[in-house]
Amino acid sequence: DVKVTQSSRYLVKRTGEKVFLECVQDMDHENMFWYRQDPGLGLRLIYFSYDVKMKEKGDIPEGYSVSREKKERFSLILESASTNQTSMYLCASSFLDTEAFFGQGTRLTVV
Amino acid sequence: GESVGLHLPTLSVQEGDNSIINCAYSNSASDYFIWYKQESGKGPQFIIDIRSNMDKRQGQRVTVLLNKTVKHLSLQIAATQPGDSAVYFCAENSFLSGGYNKLIFGAGTRLAVHP
Repeated sequence: DVKVTQSSRYLVKRTGEKVFLECVQDMDHENMFWYRQDPGLGLRLIYFSYDVKMKEKGDIPEGYSVSREKKERFSLILESASTNQTSMYLCASSFLDTEAFFGQGTRLTVV
Repeated sequence: GESVGLHLPTLSVQEGDNSIINCAYSNSASDYFIWYKQESGKGPQFIIDIRSNMDKRQGQRVTVLLNKTVKHLSLQIAATQPGDSAVYFCAENSFLSGGYNKLIFGAGTRLAVHP
């Protein structure tokens, strides 16, 4: 079975902190994605990567950056966390043109 | 608890009835579509997919219908069970100019199954 693992289920951080969300997949997928999910807004794409060291902005990249140094790992970075970044963050991976597999999500609260 | 299901359109059905969840997609060039199920506290799980060269695909108790003319996708669940209660998302695969693709998700529909 495909496994996408996010490093934390729940995180609480202070405003202004630098936050790292880690995601690892074990299926050698080329594509990896970071989404945030908020009530009534569905899943919104923050960043995605289609290869090591490659990254593309999604629909809401402001306030975020990403890193993909190895194929299996895709990190989401909040440079200076703000309360409006309180959300559920979902990582996913896929081969090109196939379904994406999701991690269990990280619920981040910024206080 | 999780608040993913709040503020979403809700479909309420009786256990044993058939459910139909609808989705409109935006890009006429999208050629691959997926339905996901998300239970409270979990990430979305793949249910079924369909490519644009098909208009119907069946799985176990689920059927996806694709109408490219009106850019509409539907998910039919036969003999709905309490375990089907979840939020359902459709997603379209959009190819971008750089040769890679991304998934665009709909807002989701909450399915509530009553005994």
